[in-house]
Amino acid sequence: DTGVSQDPRHKITKRGQNVTFRCDPISEHNRLYWYRQTLGQGPEFLTYFQNEAQLEKSRLLSDRFSAERPKGSFSTLEIQRTEQGDSAMYLCASRAAARLGEAFFGQGTRLTVV
Amino acid sequence: AQSVTQPDIHITVSEGASLELRCNYSYGATPYLFWYVQSPGQGLQLLLKYFSGDTLVQGIKGFEAEFKRSQSSFNLRKPSVHWSDAAEYFCAVGAQGGSYIPTFGRGTSLIVHP
Repeated sequence: DTGVSQDPRHKITKRGQNVTFRCDPISEHNRLYWYRQTLGQGPEFLTYFQNEAQLEKSRLLSDRFSAERPKGSFSTLEIQRTEQGDSAMYLCASRAAARLGEAFFGQGTRLTVV
Repeated sequence: AQSVTQPDIHITVSEGASLELRCNYSYGATPYLFWYVQSPGQGLQLLLKYFSGDTLVQGIKGFEAEFKRSQSSFNLRKPSVHWSDAAEYFCAVGAQGGSYIPTFGRGTSLIVHP
């Protein structure tokens, strides 16, 4: 399977705990996006990488959130001191540099904070 | 800032009937426009995209969309809906140039009656 892979698919955590999600993009894609999607809403942009450089961050990305993409391959999104409001689907997408618009999405990681 | 409005939260059609899902965007120049579909438990799949040129674009699964600059619209159509088309549909707009970060609408849920 050469699609975008996200791990884990589901995560239940207690409020105040830290969680980390992983995204493996399609291998030749150097652009990578993280989005958050809550019930009944469209995906909301969180952050964007070009290779290993984090070029854009949304105001939604509070200081409890951090994302990395070491070596420009896989990416991780960490949420520290989780809150119930962090419960959402976290989506990762990747695209090739020249293929504007052709972003491929993973199936997402569903986070539930209890 | 770019934005997308999908005025219909739910649309119900009978199988075999035609379909039109509405999308209005706000952006200062000619945007990149997209329609994605999300089935339960699945990631977002790109249906079609508009960058420039012919304002009527064809996509996968028999879908098409028409870009109307004067109305700032990019409505999605299908002449005959199948039960398997039941899903969530998202319109997205991306700014030309720069990082290209798609901004999504809140989505329209399509319900198909047999």
